[in-house]
Amino acid sequence: QQQVKQSPQSLIVQKGGISIINCAYENTAFDYFPWYQQFPGKGPALLIAIRPDVSEKKEGRFTISFNKSAKQFSLHIMDSQPGDSATYFCAASRGLTGGGNKLTFGTGTQLKVEL
Amino acid sequence: KAGVTQTPRYLIKTRGQQVTLSCSPISGHRSVSWYQQTPGQGLQFLFEYFSETQRNKGNFPGRFSGRQFSNSRSEMNVSTLELGDSALYLCASSLDRGQGAFFGQGTRLTVV
Repeated sequence: QQQVKQSPQSLIVQKGGISIINCAYENTAFDYFPWYQQFPGKGPALLIAIRPDVSEKKEGRFTISFNKSAKQFSLHIMDSQPGDSATYFCAASRGLTGGGNKLTFGTGTQLKVEL
Repeated sequence: KAGVTQTPRYLIKTRGQQVTLSCSPISGHRSVSWYQQTPGQGLQFLFEYFSETQRNKGNFPGRFSGRQFSNSRSEMNVSTLELGDSALYLCASSLDRGQGAFFGQGTRLTVV
């Protein structure tokens, strides 16, 4: 059972534009929602994370928006750059409620930022 | 601070053999998790160890096992390798539950 649904599968954005990736989850026990960036041949790198008591978190050009009632969260990349071209994964865990650090990942979004 | 180190980076094994992969977490991190990444199934959780005890286990057959040592270093073992075990195996370390998980570069296992 896929517990975290991610869309779109791929995304092409012009340099300077806004990239938006969406995720929806089913398990209301999830309490930690990170986003990862992965370049070819590398492991995923933690970008930014949010907990459900906050509706938005911003770090530099990256913003997570969280809608607890809709069970959805999204990643916004402002002023997208060619160097942002990578695969992005959303994830969820219930670490604070005893689930440890087991991450359930979305299926990934391949982002390409064109000049 | 050194990141998560996985060895070896690449491995080619024959069907039926067994393999052991190693992971050294970030200094001070006591939680180590393992994931399998394939194009078809994406990133799937294998298991998590914390203070030498398995805290979580994913839905993989018993051929996949792991352990953690007192210095938090971890190993995973896959016995009786199958062609479908070909994947990128990733290790992630965290301070504790609900904290950020930091991944290594992975071990690319190819089973022929």
